[in-house]
Amino acid sequence: ETGVTQSPTHLIKTRGQQVTLRCSSQSGHNTVSWYQQALGQGPQFIFQYYREEENGRGNFPPRFSGLQFPNYSSELNVNALELDDSALYLCASSSASQGTDTEAFFGQGTRLTVV
Amino acid sequence: GENVEQHPSTLSVQEGDSAVIKCTYSDSASNYFPWYKQELGKGPQLIIDIRSNVGEKKDQRIAVTLNKTAKHFSLHITETQPEDSAVYFCAATLGGSYIPTFGRGTSLIVHP
Repeated sequence: ETGVTQSPTHLIKTRGQQVTLRCSSQSGHNTVSWYQQALGQGPQFIFQYYREEENGRGNFPPRFSGLQFPNYSSELNVNALELDDSALYLCASSSASQGTDTEAFFGQGTRLTVV
Repeated sequence: GENVEQHPSTLSVQEGDSAVIKCTYSDSASNYFPWYKQELGKGPQLIIDIRSNVGEKKDQRIAVTLNKTAKHFSLHITETQPEDSAVYFCAATLGGSYIPTFGRGTSLIVHP
């Protein structure tokens, strides 16, 4: 177990709806990253949060947004869902300090299906 | 941005054989290279990593080598076991913030 927990584990939504996914980071970690993993592909970086501020973003549209809370837990919000948003969404926590980083630990993911 | 190529996409071996997975990266500024194992229905699990100031690292049956000049790194698994069957991902990370670029994965199948 990595200590990173995600909820829910599975979710089915209709095209056009909005969804919120949640992640609790490992104790002592101040950085959370979100990834989208399509079937048969490697994880694609969505964005990263460090101490409640967005700290890097991948090639995803603005309808993908996020939050990090004072306890370092995080949310991923996706608006106007499209069929192609169906994927496994992974959260990873790590600890960053003065330009150095620990390795990232992943949660088990949320399987989102858009119909 | 960084681009990571991973080969092969599928690797089938007999129990006890060795398995080698290779990755190349494009950005010479990348300095941290983790390897992840992902089992069905689970998130990726870090199994070994290497930083750019080291050429080789070993942990029991698993080893990783890094050639900075050629910009490639490899995962070596010796004495494979059926429980090693999973998808393995390599990644490359630019220094300063942990934002790895992943390869497309290698499905390793170990036949008993």
